[in-house]
Amino acid sequence: GAVVSQHPSWVICKSGTSVKIECRSLDFQATTMFWYRQFPKQSLMLMATSNEGSKATYEQGVEKDKFLINHASLTLSTLTVTSAHPEDSSFYICSARDDQGTIYFGEGSWLTVV
Amino acid sequence: KQEVTQIPAALSVPEGENLVLNCSFTDSAIYNLQWFRQDPGKGLTSLLLIQSSQREQTSGRLNASLDKSSGRSTLYIAASQPGDSATYLCAVPQAAGNKLTFGGGTRVLVKP
Repeated sequence: GAVVSQHPSWVICKSGTSVKIECRSLDFQATTMFWYRQFPKQSLMLMATSNEGSKATYEQGVEKDKFLINHASLTLSTLTVTSAHPEDSSFYICSARDDQGTIYFGEGSWLTVV
Repeated sequence: KQEVTQIPAALSVPEGENLVLNCSFTDSAIYNLQWFRQDPGKGLTSLLLIQSSQREQTSGRLNASLDKSSGRSTLYIAASQPGDSATYLCAVPQAAGNKLTFGGGTRVLVKP
């Protein structure tokens, strides 16, 4: 079946640095990918919609200059958390939509900012 | 704006009991509704997807019903097992594309 891979699964970074998370569709092309974040014991909140070859569409309240999303190819979208702070520590999950409209989720990436 | 609510937030049952998880949504004009399972610290596993034209979907011990008019979906898990312990999330896509709005989830603990 279709697989979406996220990398890294776990990352610890120092406050003030930037960290990049990759989301890859391994066996299908995804013109659209979605990025979610999840705080402990809370549900997933959509951050942005990433469209291949165009700028991402951010949800209200999400800082686009802080959470940089790049969807440079049909199989890869990246989320870069710039100047990370401890409050950015969270679980980030991506999903990708195939040409049939089916959505597949990645395994998620844990970010801890110290 | 679509809002999705799941009740109860947490549920603990002895092994063998049937589980009933509820999901309600405010905007009945949905394309489909999806149930997911999330294990602690892990991503999401899709369990069942019900199209808007369907009233229920079944997969093994899982059965999900959908009542669009009342804005409700129920996930039934028969003969629960300790391995069913997880958080169960329901989600509906927003009008534009497949951006999903998630409920708060129900944390299930099945005691052996």
